[in-house]
Amino acid sequence: EVQLLESGGGLVQPGGSLRLSCAASGFTFSSYGMSWVRQAPGKGLEWVSSISGSDGSTYYADSVKGRFTISRDNSKNMLYLQMNSLRAEDAAVYYCAKNQWELAPWGQGTLVTVSS
Amino acid sequence: EIVLTQSPDFQSLTPKEKVTITCRASQSIGTSLHWYQQKPDQSPKLLIKYASQSISGVPSRFRGSGSGTDFTLTINSLEAEDAAAYYCHQTTSFPYTFGQGTKLEIK
Repeated sequence: EVQLLESGGGLVQPGGSLRLSCAASGFTFSSYGMSWVRQAPGKGLEWVSSISGSDGSTYYADSVKGRFTISRDNSKNMLYLQMNSLRAEDAAVYYCAKNQWELAPWGQGTLVTVSS
Repeated sequence: EIVLTQSPDFQSLTPKEKVTITCRASQSIGTSLHWYQQKPDQSPKLLIKYASQSISGVPSRFRGSGSGTDFTLTINSLEAEDAAAYYCHQTTSFPYTFGQGTKLEIK
């Protein structure tokens, strides 16, 4: 069974940094792209970033480009999202998802709160 | 950026009714359009991929259709458990985008 488990969320001050992790199991991690999607409280889904499984190509939403970095460690079946210069509008539940074009499955999410 | 516009934003229906949710893309995306269901306090779940391909474990009352710029998700014979938000999502090009969502209430 494919499982994705996010961690690393929490409370951070504006301008601060946080690194999210996503532990993957139940599939050949290195063969698949992975994505981060976020959802602000009471709002819809917003794609944040994706990374390919093959060559590690990365893609970002304009809203996070230059501040967030997606990476993966195929030896540990881990996906990461390094978030710097956090803003109030980055507050959301962050989901990781297995990305074979469609996103499935999704993890349970980790909550990021940005507040002073 | 490809903009996806869903309609309606909200719909309230009774069990056994049929509902159609539409998703319109700002440019042609072929069939690279997927549908997700998100129940309250849960993660999104894939319902339909590539506009019309069914997903194992998803009830057959969920059907998708369309291509190009116009897509529909149809739920036949609604059940109480279908109360959720529904999102369309395109993966034809980066940045990936989602529709704004359709909230479905079952009376």
